[in-house]
Amino acid sequence: GGIITQTPKFLIGQEGQKLTLKCQQNFNHDTMYWYRQDSGKGLRLIYYSITENDLQKGDLSEGYDASREKKSSFSLTVTSAQKNEMAVFLCASSLGGLVAETLYFGSGTRLTVL
Amino acid sequence: GEQVEQRPPHLSVREGDSAIIICTYTDSATAYFSWYKQEAGAGLQLLMSVLSNVDRKEEQGLTVLLNKKDKRLSLNLTAAHPGDSAVYFCAALSSGSWQLIFGSGTQLTVMP
Repeated sequence: GGIITQTPKFLIGQEGQKLTLKCQQNFNHDTMYWYRQDSGKGLRLIYYSITENDLQKGDLSEGYDASREKKSSFSLTVTSAQKNEMAVFLCASSLGGLVAETLYFGSGTRLTVL
Repeated sequence: GEQVEQRPPHLSVREGDSAIIICTYTDSATAYFSWYKQEAGAGLQLLMSVLSNVDRKEEQGLTVLLNKKDKRLSLNLTAAHPGDSAVYFCAALSSGSWQLIFGSGTQLTVMP
């Protein structure tokens, strides 16, 4: 079995600050994802990557950057944190084909912006 | 694009009762459906997935029903127990698309 590790678990930032969230997987999966989870709104896709150095925008990419420098890691940057923003960011991975696959999720990074 | 509505947002049942969660979707070409469970402080974990050519699937006390005519997907937990307390999400993948669209989640509480 494998595991997805997200760091940090809790992130507190100031308005306007650039914040980086990290994700590591040891499944040897090709595809990795970043989702944002807001209360009562389900999960919305921010970025995904189908291989090292690949980046694809999801529906919620504005205000975020991502980086996939290694197959095992995928980082997400909040380019300018918004005041009173609170959400959980979930990283996930899947084997590769992008279709009808199981997603494996990390336990999330909870962001609070003061 | 695909839209997925999930209800109810909160559901409380007694131990041993059934719990039913329903999702409706808009794209009739949706080919793949999943149910995920999220326990407190954890990520989502796949419970069950079905392709659109399946009307009913049962596994370990869970039943997924797919009504393509009404574009409705349901998850039935028979004989729920307190360990089933979690947030449940449905997800749909449209044919020709790569992106799973998630419902808004149902917080299930099973009381002893």
